[in-house]
Amino acid sequence: DAMVIQNPRYQVTQFGKPVTLSCSQTLNHNVMYWYQQKSSQAPKLLFHYYDKDFNNEADTPDNFQSRRPNTSFCFLDIRSPGLGDAAMYLCATSLTAGETQYFGPGTQLLVL
Amino acid sequence: SQQGEEDPQALSIQEGENATMNCSYKTSINNLQWYRQNSGRGLVHLILIRSNEREKHSGRLRVTLDTSKKSSSLLITASRAADTASYFCATEGSFGNEKLTFGTGTRLTIIP
Repeated sequence: DAMVIQNPRYQVTQFGKPVTLSCSQTLNHNVMYWYQQKSSQAPKLLFHYYDKDFNNEADTPDNFQSRRPNTSFCFLDIRSPGLGDAAMYLCATSLTAGETQYFGPGTQLLVL
Repeated sequence: SQQGEEDPQALSIQEGENATMNCSYKTSINNLQWYRQNSGRGLVHLILIRSNEREKHSGRLRVTLDTSKKSSSLLITASRAADTASYFCATEGSFGNEKLTFGTGTRLTIIP
């Protein structure tokens, strides 16, 4: 089945230790998104790719970076995680801009 | 600030009753979408309604859109325990800038 896959589902890292979260999709969608969601809050968009074009949200900290080496994969790099970065990280895709988004199951990040 | 705000923040009803959630937004939109999120999971798309549509149905779900009031409602009829989840509205602005802005969400609890 076509889907959005995120690995790992749970990630524990140490304060300041770089961590990479991954997302892959079999939907062949053009757009891929990364969201941060803290407990009982709405998802907050960090950045998105339209094909290879990277779009950063103005309030996304420099500590967060992203890579999209090909259509299927997208990575979220947190260079120096702080305690405030503990959250659920959601990857989503859409065929075109502004249309239905398909979400992965998320990666729950814990920072010790 | 968030584009969409949802009302109520939390709703508890008996199984079999209908549940209504409301979403208000601030600027012109191309479409409005409703998503569901079970605890600790990714979001699942429910319905997309375009700015030139007033009502849409999908199974037990009914969505209305009033662009003059910048508001939408989601009605779940004959609720089931499995409908327990958080429900988010999301809007695509009329500038078509490739992203959705999520509302604050309604936490729905169905009491068996």
